Amino acid sequence: GQSLEQPSEVTAVEGAIVQINCTYQTSGFYGLSWYQQHDGGAPTFLSYNALDGLEETGRFSSFLSRSDSYGYLLLQELQMKDSASYLCAFPLSSASKIIFGSGTRLSIRP
Amino acid sequence: SQTIHQWPATLVQPVGSPLSLECTVEGTSNPNLYWYRQAAGRGLQLLFYSVGIGQISSEVPQNLSASRPQDRQFILSSKKLLLSDSGFYLCAWSGSSGGLEAFFGQGTRLTVV
Repeated sequence: GQSLEQPSEVTAVEGAIVQINCTYQTSGFYGLSWYQQHDGGAPTFLSYNALDGLEETGRFSSFLSRSDSYGYLLLQELQMKDSASYLCAFPLSSASKIIFGSGTRLSIRP
Repeated sequence: SQTIHQWPATLVQPVGSPLSLECTVEGTSNPNLYWYRQAAGRGLQLLFYSVGIGQISSEVPQNLSASRPQDRQFILSSKKLLLSDSGFYLCAWSGSSGGLEAFFGQGTRLTVV
């Protein structure tokens, strides 16, 4: 079957760096995506990796290793506003349904 | 630029009443469209997706249905709501990225009483 696994919660300190991991299981892999969701709000797209390696977008970076079925989202210079849930996701084919992980809740301490 | 509109933002409905949630996308053509439901503190459950007008795929058998009467319009319906239908309903679209980028509407928080 197809599935994604991520830790349910992560805690970090303001100004620090945090890594949120995602492992997946699927056949026909097209890439891994990341979304941010604040409490009470809708998910917003952050980044995706279609190929192995690191993609950097400002303070956020995303990494993919297809051989390990593993990816992570790296958040640098953490700010209090980064407190949110982070969801990994992938499409099951190039133009069909998108499956989401259950999300990792990031709590940031001053 | 592309935008997605979903309404209403909140809805309180009695058990057994009908439901109609509408979602429209602007600024793109032939998008893939999705309906998700999110229970409190939980992940996104895919309910329906559509790759074209009149083409609906259902993921979860239940008392909900979806329709796509126009290219950029996606409607979620129920004839009779159950208490278990309460949740946060999200419409989303994706385009040329092949599902790697999806964009969500504001969501509808439905409470069935």
